[in-house]
Amino acid sequence: DVKVTQSSRYLVKRTGEKVFLECVQDMDHENMFWYRQDPGLGLRLIYFSYDVKMKEKGDIPEGYSVSREKKERFSLILESASTNQTSMYLCASSFWTSGSEQYFGPGTRLTVT
Amino acid sequence: SQQGEEDPQALSIQEGENATMNCSYKTSINNLQWYRQNSGRGLVHLILIRSNEREKHSGRLRVTLDTSKKSSSLLITASRAADTASYFCATTSNYQLIWGAGTKLIIKP
Repeated sequence: DVKVTQSSRYLVKRTGEKVFLECVQDMDHENMFWYRQDPGLGLRLIYFSYDVKMKEKGDIPEGYSVSREKKERFSLILESASTNQTSMYLCASSFWTSGSEQYFGPGTRLTVT
Repeated sequence: SQQGEEDPQALSIQEGENATMNCSYKTSINNLQWYRQNSGRGLVHLILIRSNEREKHSGRLRVTLDTSKKSSSLLITASRAADTASYFCATTSNYQLIWGAGTKLIIKP
């Protein structure tokens, strides 16, 4: 069974704090993704990575950065958290084929106060 | 960018009935996928249909794809309480998935 784990299920941070969200997958997938999910908006892609140390911006990269130092681990960084970054963050991974099935972690619900 | 749009936004039916939800998209696709999200299991892949396929089945799920109308439908037959969830379609553009806002399905006992 593919497993994608995220470091926290719930997180509360203050405005201006630096926030790290970590994601680990155990299926040797090449691709990894970070999404945020807000009511009525579906999933929006923040960043994705198709290889170690490679990253590509998604639709809403502003205010975020990512790091992929190892194949199994993909981190999302909020350099200076703001209240409009309060959201559910979902990590996913997939094989290196166009449009293949994505496997999701349980999500991190981040609240910025 | 949001490509898929699910319809209806919410659907409430009696257990045992069939549930149909639709997805429309804007540009040409390689494939279309349906996912389910509930609080217990998170977001889970249900079925993938390629652009050259018209219909696909998996258990109680039936997916159709009409590329001329840029639309897809997901039919769940003989619904169960455990089918209560949000359902999302996602289309493939290059190596990314582009997601709709989802249909919230409630199965009443």
